[in-house]
Amino acid sequence: EAGVVQSPRYKIIEKKQPVAFWCNPISGHNTLYWYLQNLGQGPELLIRYENEEAVDDSQLPKDRFSAERLKGVDSTLKIQPAELGDSAVYLCASSLGGNADTQYFGPGTRLTVL
Amino acid sequence: GIQVEQSPPDLILQEGANSTLRCNFSDSVNNLQWFHQNPWGQLINLFYIPSGTKQNGRLSATTVATERYSLLYISSSQTTDSGVYFCAVTSYGNNRLAFGKGNQVVVIP
Repeated sequence: EAGVVQSPRYKIIEKKQPVAFWCNPISGHNTLYWYLQNLGQGPELLIRYENEEAVDDSQLPKDRFSAERLKGVDSTLKIQPAELGDSAVYLCASSLGGNADTQYFGPGTRLTVL
Repeated sequence: GIQVEQSPPDLILQEGANSTLRCNFSDSVNNLQWFHQNPWGQLINLFYIPSGTKQNGRLSATTVATERYSLLYISSSQTTDSGVYFCAVTSYGNNRLAFGKGNQVVVIP
């Protein structure tokens, strides 16, 4: 069984440029999560989807971040425009059901903003 | 929100040694997971253990939910055990998985 797939693995951009990350969850997993991990810290939730509905996006900086999961399967997270402070690892995770279920993480996308 | 504290923050082990990592949390939980983040950044699921005891090879975990702590045991450590171990919990009424700051483990040959 394939795990959570993310692309790209690494991205370097200049500040003010847009960037997008893609995630394909484990087949059959209804819940999808995007996390942000800064160096030396644990991941922090940005947004959680139940199927195609964003049920928790209170931590998503909506002035520059957006996300979508149009068909309830794969998802895209976008930043526009990127700032220096956005340099971090962006992790996608999925679970069969809600938050009380085991979450499985993808390899992450390491973003560097210059 | 729920607070998650992990100790010790850093640990250096000789290969073959045993160790115990601790996770304290401030509220009742309905989800507790232990992860290993390897040097390449991949978060690997070790245990889903909101209560009770589980074992998987050289690793085992115990969660005492009534006393709000969990322990991860590493026996006969190997260099591949190096990395950061995270404890993460979800409390009743709060649907976010809250992570501790991790235990940085280095196993030297």
